[in-house]
Amino acid sequence: KAGVTQTPRYLIKTRGQQVTLSCSPISGHRSVSWYQQTPGQGLQFLFEYFSETQRNKGNFPGRFSGRQFSNSRSEMNVSTLELGDSALYLCASSFGGGTNEKLFFGSGTQLSVL
Amino acid sequence: GESVGLHLPTLSVQEGDNSIINCAYSNSASDYFIWYKQESGKGPQFIIDIRSNMDKRQGQRVTVLLNKTVKHLSLQIAATQPGDSAVYFCAENIPPSGSARQLTFGSGTQLTVLP
Repeated sequence: KAGVTQTPRYLIKTRGQQVTLSCSPISGHRSVSWYQQTPGQGLQFLFEYFSETQRNKGNFPGRFSGRQFSNSRSEMNVSTLELGDSALYLCASSFGGGTNEKLFFGSGTQLSVL
Repeated sequence: GESVGLHLPTLSVQEGDNSIINCAYSNSASDYFIWYKQESGKGPQFIIDIRSNMDKRQGQRVTVLLNKTVKHLSLQIAATQPGDSAVYFCAENIPPSGSARQLTFGSGTQLTVLP
């Protein structure tokens, strides 16, 4: 069974631009979560989607948004990029998003904002 | 100015020795815990999990111990191998008001296995 797939693997953008990252969960998984990882803040929760609905959101500004499609694939968008948005963005999936389910991560998208 | 990164605790062990990685979690209401391993350039990889109604759980070469009294979690790796070198994170699930889940991660421990 294929793992969580994230594209692109690397991305370089300039301040003010916007970016869209893509995530394909493990087949059969319906919950997709997004996390931001930086050396300064570690791993921080962005949001979680289940059945095309955002169920939970972390403490990030409105420039960070996401969506989930009927096939459970998810995208996240960051508008008006800032230098501090440079990070590894990780997508994780689980079967139903229940609180005692294992969460499986992709390899991430490394975003650099210049 | 210069940004200050998280200070990662480090642990160096000799190949073949046992490793113990510790984690203090934040919320006494947390009901589920996971240990992840992250190698350079990769996403976190699931190692082992434990529910709050358990004190100990064993996997292949790994054991997780949970002490709810002091909110402490540990990961024991038996016969540590060079491939175990990585950053190890503990994560806790704090029950939300709904069914959605949100993991809170620790800052991680860098494990280095010496030949």
